[in-house]
Amino acid sequence: GENVEQHPSTLSVQEGDSAVIKCTYSDSASNYFPWYKQELGKRPQLIIDIRSNVGEKKDQRIAVTLNKTAKHFSLHITETQPEDSAVYFCAASSTNFGNEKLTFGTGTRLTIIP
Amino acid sequence: GAGVSQTPSNKVTEKGKYVELRCDPISGHTALYWYRQSLGQGPEFLIYFQGTGAADDSGLPNDRFFAVRPEGSVSTLKIQRTERGDSAVYLCASSETGAGSGANVLTFGAGSRLTVL
Repeated sequence: GENVEQHPSTLSVQEGDSAVIKCTYSDSASNYFPWYKQELGKRPQLIIDIRSNVGEKKDQRIAVTLNKTAKHFSLHITETQPEDSAVYFCAASSTNFGNEKLTFGTGTRLTIIP
Repeated sequence: GAGVSQTPSNKVTEKGKYVELRCDPISGHTALYWYRQSLGQGPEFLIYFQGTGAADDSGLPNDRFFAVRPEGSVSTLKIQRTERGDSAVYLCASSETGAGSGANVLTFGAGSRLTVL
């Protein structure tokens, strides 16, 4: 089955600086890679996702890059703000029918220092 | 409904008791997932339904755990003879299926926090 590794487990960044979180996956059949943000005591919420037919996707201050050959993908947050503080999870899945479950990484606790 | 609804939000039970956790997915979402999240960990897959049938139950830890979705909408996760190690937040999610852009995009409920004393 799929195995997703995520680094770092904790990350502290000065407000206004950039944050980068990296994930690797093992199953070459995986073709969908979402990122979820989870605030304390809240549900995971999708912030951005990428499918394997593109190498990069951007949404305002958030971007995700995908390297299918190396089987890794990264989340980039620019101009960080205090409200970016949360735990971020990467995940991977295949869109083959019947095999669509997400496998999550272990999370990165991001702290933005004012 | 507008979002994924889970009840109860909190459940405290004693070791050995039986519990049921309910999930009401987004209307029209044919795929439904149960995950378990322990403190400080990522969500861990338990079971996935396509319509009424369990397409993948490989994440259920043992035969004390069972889930149903009899009409292809609401799902119930059932845990028998609860143990302290079952304490966690049980998250339900739903998604569309098929080749569209919504496929695999999971929307999570707020979770049911289970505490086994």
